Amino acid sequence: DAGITQSPRHKVTETGTPVTLRCHQTENHRYMYWYRQDPGHGLRLIHYSYGVKDTDKGEVSDGYSVSRSKTEDFLLTLESATSSQTSVYFCAISESETYGYTFGSGTRLTVV
Amino acid sequence: GESVGLHLPTLSVQEGDNSIINCAYSNSASDYFIWYKQESGKGPQFIIDIRSNMDKRQGQRVTVLLNKTVKHLSLQIAATQPGDSAVYFCAENKGNKLVFGAGTILRVKS
Repeated sequence: DAGITQSPRHKVTETGTPVTLRCHQTENHRYMYWYRQDPGHGLRLIHYSYGVKDTDKGEVSDGYSVSRSKTEDFLLTLESATSSQTSVYFCAISESETYGYTFGSGTRLTVV
Repeated sequence: GESVGLHLPTLSVQEGDNSIINCAYSNSASDYFIWYKQESGKGPQFIIDIRSNMDKRQGQRVTVLLNKTVKHLSLQIAATQPGDSAVYFCAENKGNKLVFGAGTILRVKS
């Protein structure tokens, strides 16, 4: 997807290990979001950011933390991964809170 | 809590026919709605949006209708093609966050 990249694309990790997912944008958008997507649940918001060092929780934030030290990067960290965090994670960006989001291609995370 | 939902989880249509995907929303204060398409293995892709001061908006082969009286949103796809096969989500913008429905699978039969 133009202007937004997620890394890694796939990851398998063991229960209890820390994991960090990266979202990088080249659009200079102010707003960035992390969603997880699970069958039967659609897309659920984990955390979001409305500027450098400005972040807030979404509906499923337990077990996750985020950081945004630069406009272009938004990191999602699982401090101690659990099997329930096996999911596909999507990052999204937006230039305004009243416009649609552009999504990345996703990271498929498997916790074993 | 408030949520955005869909009436039909799966829709099968014949190639060339028109498709209609429906969505009900519960927050009457929502002022912005979006439809996304998601193909297998990819992220959601913006299709079309509509603000609450409108009741219809047209794009290329797609039309979104908004009925605020019954809090209903629909996506119409004209002359459905095999490439339209995907999962379609409606989303409601509440403040600075999007709330998504569970999605409708559209299958196009050739």
